[in-house]
Amino acid sequence: EVQLVESGGGLVQPGGSLRLSCAASGFTFSVYSMNWVRQAPGKGLEWVSYISGTGSTMYYADSVRGRFTISRDNAKNSLYLQMDSLRTEDTAVYYCARLGEGFGMDVWGQGTTVTVSS
Amino acid sequence: SYVLTQPPSVSVAPGKTARITCGGNNIGSKSVHWYQQKPGQAPVLVIYFNSDRPSGIPERFSGSNSGNTATLTISRVEAGDEADYYCQVWDTSSHYWVFGGGTKLTVL
Repeated sequence: EVQLVESGGGLVQPGGSLRLSCAASGFTFSVYSMNWVRQAPGKGLEWVSYISGTGSTMYYADSVRGRFTISRDNAKNSLYLQMDSLRTEDTAVYYCARLGEGFGMDVWGQGTTVTVSS
Repeated sequence: SYVLTQPPSVSVAPGKTARITCGGNNIGSKSVHWYQQKPGQAPVLVIYFNSDRPSGIPERFSGSNSGNTATLTISRVEAGDEADYYCQVWDTSSHYWVFGGGTKLTVL
């Protein structure tokens, strides 16, 4: 079964750091580009970051560029999001999502909740 | 940056056809993807590349894209189709994945 499982969310103070992980299974992870997408409480979806299958290309939303770093370990079938200098507006459910062959995000994890609050 | 505009809500009676629009400047030149999200669940891809359906998505779901508007059409709407729907495109100029604001589909 194709599956993505996120972990690492939690409560953190403004200015703090958190590292999210996404464990992939059921497909050849290294072939696929991956994304992080977030959803603030009661709000819509917001794309956060993209990484190519080899890890050589990364893109970021303006709202997180310079604070968040996306990475992957293909040997461990894992995707990561290092989040530094967190702000209250970063509070959201964070999803990892696979970029399918048609360039839609065809597999999503269940999400992990990040709460930034003092 | 590129902006996608969706109506906040659409209502439809069971068995009828729902049409959810997604507006963007010359969106017809882009590939549009559509997602369904039910409360408390992760999004699900229902249409990719404007009009293709992933395996497991009913034929009742279809998509079109031309000019400045893309449309998700749901035929013979069922109660289980009630959800939020999001359109999405890749903006090549800014290297940005852009989502529309989402449309809440209510089945009357």
